[in-house]
Amino acid sequence: GQNIDQPTEMTATEGAIVQINCTYQTSGFNGLFWYQQHAGEAPTFLSYNVLDGLEEKGRFSSFLSRSKGYSYLLLKELQMKDSASYLCAVFSGNTPLVFGKGTRLSVIA
Amino acid sequence: AAGVIQSPRHLIKEKRETATLKCYPIPRHDTVYWYQQGPGQDPQFLISFYEKMQSDKGSIPDRFSAQQFSDYHSELNMSSLELGDSALYFCASSYRTSGGAGTDTQYFGPGTRLTVL
Repeated sequence: GQNIDQPTEMTATEGAIVQINCTYQTSGFNGLFWYQQHAGEAPTFLSYNVLDGLEEKGRFSSFLSRSKGYSYLLLKELQMKDSASYLCAVFSGNTPLVFGKGTRLSVIA
Repeated sequence: AAGVIQSPRHLIKEKRETATLKCYPIPRHDTVYWYQQGPGQDPQFLISFYEKMQSDKGSIPDRFSAQQFSDYHSELNMSSLELGDSALYFCASSYRTSGGAGTDTQYFGPGTRLTVL
């Protein structure tokens, strides 16, 4: 089966750093995606991890540990516009993406 | 850069009516995915097509059908609409790499908001 867990909600202060965790148990693993989704809008691709380690892309970084079934998305220098849902999605085998329930991040002044 | 196009953006239908949603993938993308997202829910995979052939099937009701055409655009046909079909319907496209379906990044369209009254 497929199970992806991430916190439901998080709150952080503008300018701060926040880490959103994702754990997964899947029958196979080929890669993990992070998407950002503002309410009523389409998910926007942020990152894709296949190998263990940290992928950095501007203010956003994503980390993967395949042995632990664990990933996190790190957002630095938070801005108000970063308030959104962040979706962790796993690709395993020849099945389509399986999404977690998403973490709703609220950035406050 | 060109993105995924979906039409219409908004659609209002009555119960038991039919609806057709259209998706135009990013140029040169050969794979299309359809997702349904209810309020406060994560996207649920419905169905996907690769090179005009159905490649995977998820939680798509029997009342729904879809196909991909020769120009790679796809249509999702929904019949006997129910109140519970009200949701955002996203189409995503990708270019399949040698690793197989899904190893390539999916880019989402803006979605069609379907409201069934």
